[in-house]
Amino acid sequence: TQLLEQSPQFLSIQEGENLTVYCNSSSVFSSLQWYRQEPGEGPVLLVTVVTGGEVKKLKRLTFQFGDARKDSSLHITAAQPGDTGLYLCAGVKNSGYALNFGKGTSLLVTP
Amino acid sequence: GAGVSQSPRYKVAKRGQDVALRCDPISGHVSLFWYQQALGQGPEFLTYFQNEAQLDKSGLPSDRFFAERPEGSVSTLKIQRTQQEDSAVYLCASSSRPGLYNEQFFGPGTRLTVL
Repeated sequence: TQLLEQSPQFLSIQEGENLTVYCNSSSVFSSLQWYRQEPGEGPVLLVTVVTGGEVKKLKRLTFQFGDARKDSSLHITAAQPGDTGLYLCAGVKNSGYALNFGKGTSLLVTP
Repeated sequence: GAGVSQSPRYKVAKRGQDVALRCDPISGHVSLFWYQQALGQGPEFLTYFQNEAQLDKSGLPSDRFFAERPEGSVSTLKIQRTQQEDSAVYLCASSSRPGLYNEQFFGPGTRLTVL
């Protein structure tokens, strides 16, 4: 059972479009992380958010942590083919250490 | 290399066979995690080591799964009498220190297929 629900599950867009991926839960997390995973590789950390309402920007990627620390979003501006991959959100519950992952959003950006 | 390495990268086993999956964490990393990633799913936590101590094994699916890290570095995940439902990618991750906000560095995984 996965605590985090991600949507959409699949997304196919053209280069230059914007997109948002959502990560929702009924549980409160002390921190939430976003990972990107490519086929045959392990997940690679993109960002960690720890404060409710926090917004972090990483070039064309904007990450937001909900005020109640139950949800998060990832927004990509002007997507590029190199953004193609599986985007995973993962939360750490209070006093925990193990990552609780969502099922992921598979993104395909075509030229 | 400086990253987490896992071997073998691919393993095909006949149902009932025992398998052993190896993880070499980043040198000096205290924490080591094992995750199971089924096809089309996100990784699910299996077990956690801090140095050689296995502090949490609550995610291990059954008593056929066993993990060890005897010297606090390399870890082995062993699956006895493999079943078809054990087919998945097994990911290992390490972290430089315990704590809530520590970054976990993942290896490439071992893809296990049980026939």
